[in-house]
Amino acid sequence: KAGVTQTPRYLIKTRGQQVTLSCSPISGHRSVSWYQQTPGQGLQFLFEYFSETQRNKGNFPGRFSGRQFSNSRSEMNVSTLELGDSALYLCASSLGTGLLYEQYFGPGTRLTVT
Amino acid sequence: AQSVTQPDIHITVSEGASLELRCNYSYGATPYLFWYVQSPGQGLQLLLKYFSGDTLVQGIKGFEAEFKRSQSSFNLRKPSVHWSDAAEYFCAVGARDYKLSFGAGTTVTVRA
Repeated sequence: KAGVTQTPRYLIKTRGQQVTLSCSPISGHRSVSWYQQTPGQGLQFLFEYFSETQRNKGNFPGRFSGRQFSNSRSEMNVSTLELGDSALYLCASSLGTGLLYEQYFGPGTRLTVT
Repeated sequence: AQSVTQPDIHITVSEGASLELRCNYSYGATPYLFWYVQSPGQGLQLLLKYFSGDTLVQGIKGFEAEFKRSQSSFNLRKPSVHWSDAAEYFCAVGARDYKLSFGAGTTVTVRA
């Protein structure tokens, strides 16, 4: 069974631009979560989608948004990029919502904002 | 609010020696506890988890962890490390319906 895939793997953007990251979950998984990983703040939860509905949200500004499609694929969008948005963005999928379901992580998208 | 502390930023251990990584958590109720490993350029892989029951939990790759409620700790151990265990290790805590809070991570270097 294929794992979680994230595209693109690397991305360079300029301050003020917007970016869209994509995550394809493991087949059959209906929950997708997004995390931001930076050297200063560590791993922080962004949001979770289950059956096309946002179920949980972390403490990030409204510039960070996401959505999930009927095939469970998810996209994350960051508008008006700031230098501090440079990070590794990790996507994780699971069969269901809640921590009883194991999360499987993708390799991440490395975003650099210049 | 839940939080996790991993006191050791970096640990160096010789191949074949034992390894213990410390994790302390702060949470008002019974927590769900996890240990993840991240190799360079990779996502996170779950090593083991604790929800309830036996406080000594066995995981993959020969790792185990012990939940100690009185000390609010969930330390990870491995009796004999291999060079392939060099990675960054994250402890995480969460409640059943909420998402994970991660510690800052401990980088493990294995010397020959």
